[in-house]
Amino acid sequence: GQNIDQPTEMTATEGAIVQINCTYQTSGFNGLFWYQQHAGEAPTFLSYNVLDGLEEKGRFSSFLSRSKGYSYLLLKELQMKDSASYLCAVITGGGNKLTFGTGTQLKVEL
Amino acid sequence: GAVVSQHPSWVICKSGTSVKIECRSLDFQATTMFWYRQFPKQSLMLMATSNEGSKATYEQGVEKDKFLINHASLTLSTLTVTSAHPEDSSFYICSARVPLGLAVSYEQYFGPGTRLTVT
Repeated sequence: GQNIDQPTEMTATEGAIVQINCTYQTSGFNGLFWYQQHAGEAPTFLSYNVLDGLEEKGRFSSFLSRSKGYSYLLLKELQMKDSASYLCAVITGGGNKLTFGTGTQLKVEL
Repeated sequence: GAVVSQHPSWVICKSGTSVKIECRSLDFQATTMFWYRQFPKQSLMLMATSNEGSKATYEQGVEKDKFLINHASLTLSTLTVTSAHPEDSSFYICSARVPLGLAVSYEQYFGPGTRLTVT
């Protein structure tokens, strides 16, 4: 089966840095996505990792270690609008399935 | 960029009735679309994979006779919730795999979702 774990909730301060971890055990792996989802809205794409290492895009960075089944999303210079749910998702099934983790609800406080 | 729309954005129906939700790819052709369900404070759960011109592939535990999927064209997939019950109340989200060249490999673009409430 597929198992993708994330912390349920996190709280951080505006302007700070927060790291959201994701561990996975899946049958097959074609890459890992991070999505941001605000309440009542569809997920929006943040990053994609298929090779080991760090991908940086503005205030957001994502890291992947395939041998450890581990990824993290790093958010810098936190803003209030970053308060949302962050979903880790793994592509499996020959590229045809996106399996989502449990999601991490991030709350950014003043 | 690739845009996926859903209609309606929200719907309230009575128990026992059927509801149809449409998912459209607006500026690209999608041979494969996906239907997800999301309960409050939970993550997205894949219900089925919709393939243009063929039968949908349902995930384990999803009743194919209750959740009818039709993918009649390269830009439209529909999900019909038949004989809806209050426990079917949820947020239904569709997505389409973006053709290579428009985005990174395997990326899916999501529709805005449909909030279904069954009374």
